Amino acid sequence: GNSVTQMEGPVTLSEEAFLTINCTYTATGYPSLFWYVQYPGEGLQLLLKATKADDKGSNKGFEATYRKETTSFHLEKGSVQVSDSAVYFCALSEINTGNQFYFGTGTSLTVIP
Amino acid sequence: DTAVSQTPKYLVTQMGNDKSIKCEQNLGHDTMYWYKQDSKKFLKIMFSYNNKELIINETVPNRFSPKSPDKAHLNLHINSLELGDSAVYFCASSQDFRGRGAFFGQGTRLTVV
Repeated sequence: GNSVTQMEGPVTLSEEAFLTINCTYTATGYPSLFWYVQYPGEGLQLLLKATKADDKGSNKGFEATYRKETTSFHLEKGSVQVSDSAVYFCALSEINTGNQFYFGTGTSLTVIP
Repeated sequence: DTAVSQTPKYLVTQMGNDKSIKCEQNLGHDTMYWYKQDSKKFLKIMFSYNNKELIINETVPNRFSPKSPDKAHLNLHINSLELGDSAVYFCASSQDFRGRGAFFGQGTRLTVV
């Protein structure tokens, strides 16, 4: 079956630190991969995506590369800001699952000044 | 223009009551979803509709009933509310299974007292 595993949080970093949030997946076919961000009190927003192996998704300084050989889609940012404090979700969708999105458990990030 | 809008944003009600949450999307998407997010931020798919047809119906008490009058609307009706129903409920929509991701509403925080 399909599933997504994220690193457990919470993660606390100082401003300008390097961020990595690990995400690995299990899929029966060829999934598309996504990172979503949820700011306090808000819904999920699509942060970035990748639809095939070796694609790199990027947005707002965040990046993630679709690695089929390691079934991973780790989120990285070179220098985090206080405004990046949020919960980050890794997700996949795949044609065999009727448009369903599978989400990881979320990783809470707090950036301190 | 809000892409996916759901109402109400907050809902406080007593055990045993019946309540509805409404969702509308103006993106022209074919697929709509209901997700439940618990206090630990875990997201669980409840239902998925494609062009008004029920596609996914996860293990959810039959007190929860989705209704899709047209492909732009997916409402959630809950009968005989229980304390354990307290959560944030998110509506979402997507156009196809890969590449574009899902768009989420702001959420409805349901509190059953």
